Amino acid sequence: EIVLTQSPGTLSLSPGDRATLSCRASQTVTSKYIAWYQQKPGQAPRLLIYGSSSRATAIPDRFSGSGSGTDFTLTISRLEPEDFAVYFCQQYGGSVTFGGGTRVEIK
Amino acid sequence: QITLKESGPTLVKPTQTLTLTCNFSGFSLRTSGVGVGWIRQSPGKALEWLALISWDDTKQYSPSLKTRLTIAKDTSKSQVVLTITNMDPADTATYYCTLIRFITPTGFGSSDSWGQGTPVIVSS
Repeated sequence: EIVLTQSPGTLSLSPGDRATLSCRASQTVTSKYIAWYQQKPGQAPRLLIYGSSSRATAIPDRFSGSGSGTDFTLTISRLEPEDFAVYFCQQYGGSVTFGGGTRVEIK
Repeated sequence: QITLKESGPTLVKPTQTLTLTCNFSGFSLRTSGVGVGWIRQSPGKALEWLALISWDDTKQYSPSLKTRLTIAKDTSKSQVVLTITNMDPADTATYYCTLIRFITPTGFGSSDSWGQGTPVIVSS
């Protein structure tokens, strides 16, 4: 099973800041099959990025994904108030597993 | 508009079998490349992938839960059903049904749309 480790656990930032979230896999992820999700309290997760770097429908371009091999990154270029949430990475190259999540909180 | 809605019992006893139903609209499980999956989330915890059924009836299961899971589809009713046997308090979670719009050559895919989730508590 591919284990995904997300860091940091919590990111304390201000609106307008740049957020950089990391997701490291225990082994190479096939064909960049990495997705990122955003989850707000009491809501289901929402797909942001698939295929490591493709934005899902209606996702603003301040969200971007990058990486390959075992190291992947979600970047939010300028945080909006609605971006403060928990973010999960997922790999679907070998079965499916999720990272433990990164909470982006208001500083 | 794509919608998915989960239904099932809120409370089950240990050792019982849980049956969850996902009713969906806005897409068809007859469409090549499409799948419906189940993911759960324990209170305050991360997400755990459970199972997936594809348009061609291919089924994928979590390796750690494989012996307890069964997924099936009824295309005419736009329904997918997940059963979990031998429920345990550790299975207490919110269970989500999701649409996988593109099944990759690996047999899996990202979850493009999610239902609202249905909470399940396992307690005697």
